[in-house]
Amino acid sequence: GEDVEQSLFLSVREGDSSVINCTYTDSSSTYLYWYKQEPGAGLQLLTYIFSNMDMKQDQRLTVLLNKKDKHLSLRIADTQTGDSAIYFCAERGNYGQNFVFGPGTRLSVLP
Amino acid sequence: DAGVIQSPRHEVTEMGQEVTLRCKPISGHDYLFWYRQTMMRGLELLIYFNNNVPIDDSGMPEDRFSAKMPNASFSTLKIQPSEPRDSAVYFCASGQGVSGANVLTFGAGSRLTVL
Repeated sequence: GEDVEQSLFLSVREGDSSVINCTYTDSSSTYLYWYKQEPGAGLQLLTYIFSNMDMKQDQRLTVLLNKKDKHLSLRIADTQTGDSAIYFCAERGNYGQNFVFGPGTRLSVLP
Repeated sequence: DAGVIQSPRHEVTEMGQEVTLRCKPISGHDYLFWYRQTMMRGLELLIYFNNNVPIDDSGMPEDRFSAKMPNASFSTLKIQPSEPRDSAVYFCASGQGVSGANVLTFGAGSRLTVL
């Protein structure tokens, strides 16, 4: 079945760039998403990308998609302490509502 | 819009008791999802509804779990009887439409502790 994998932890220094990586298996995925979860809160959508795009930029966030390798990344420029959270990658196929989430990457931003 | 509203935010109960979690989706959203989050298993889809009809309940762990959506603005997830292994954070999420990105909006979650 479909699977989404992420590394579980990432630590960066404040002001540096963070890159969170994700791989997925479903080649029919049409939309890929990045969600952020802060402690004690629900998941909040950060951004999403359609599968026919290679890149999407939104302020400090850059999403890169390599469809051939089924690899998605989220780059956060000028990482701040407020960016400390768990980041989930998710994919959805063209039909149905089967969103598949990765295990989440816990980002720690060190001062 | 106030977003997806879940209640209670926290529930502590004893094994064997019935637990009912509630969700109010965003008005106009025609999809509603129930997820469970634990450290061991991550985020698991339990069930989802489209236009108040259950579409896929294959993620519901066992018969002790049931979910209903009597109308477009309310859903419940019931566990009867509850067990300690049901302790988790339960999220409700709603979304709109099949085509397009159909972004999910999550509630703040209900943290359940079964003693």
